[in-house]
Amino acid sequence: DQQVKQNSPSLSVQEGRISILNCDYTNSMFDYFLWYKKYPAEGPTFLISISSIKDKNEDGRFTVFLNKSAKHLSLHIVPSQPGDSAVYFCAGEGLTSGSRLTFGEGTQLTVNP
Amino acid sequence: KAGVTQTPRYLIKTRGQQVTLSCSPISGHRSVSWYQQTPGQGLQFLFEYFSETQRNKGNFPGRFSGRQFSNSRSEMNVSTLELGDSALYLCASSLAQGDYGYTFGSGTRLTVV
Repeated sequence: DQQVKQNSPSLSVQEGRISILNCDYTNSMFDYFLWYKKYPAEGPTFLISISSIKDKNEDGRFTVFLNKSAKHLSLHIVPSQPGDSAVYFCAGEGLTSGSRLTFGEGTQLTVNP
Repeated sequence: KAGVTQTPRYLIKTRGQQVTLSCSPISGHRSVSWYQQTPGQGLQFLFEYFSETQRNKGNFPGRFSGRQFSNSRSEMNVSTLELGDSALYLCASSLAQGDYGYTFGSGTRLTVV
């Protein structure tokens, strides 16, 4: 049962353009959604999160949008930079189930100079 | 401050053997979670410990076990290793159970031959 799904294994964009990474979920009990970024040979690092009661959260170049009716969230990176090239994971967490993050499969973002 | 430390970084084991991985959380963090990352599967939750007690467990066979010590350091053990156990094992720590401010370690790359 894949509760969090990232349907695009990879995405390639030009430097300066917008990167949009998508994520779908099935579990309505998630209270928070988080995005993590992972470079090779390193652990995931927290990027941005959104509460299930909000529809948008912005932090600098990163904005996460949540559409609860569609059970869909997206991460927008504007403008994209070569250093953003990494694997991006979305994850859901329900506080009622403790510290358990449910991750998607990840999307490899490549930003070309 | 020091981050989450996982040892060893790399490990090669033979089928049927057992292995123990170690995780030292950030000082003051009392919750430690373990995840398995394999290609195409994202990060799969193994278990979570808080105050030396397992609070949450994922869908892994009993060959996967763990424990937490009074200083919050955690170990996970895999017995009777199978080829499919080859993966990156990641540990994440947070202040308390249900606190989604997770910090991940760089992981232990386990290869079973």
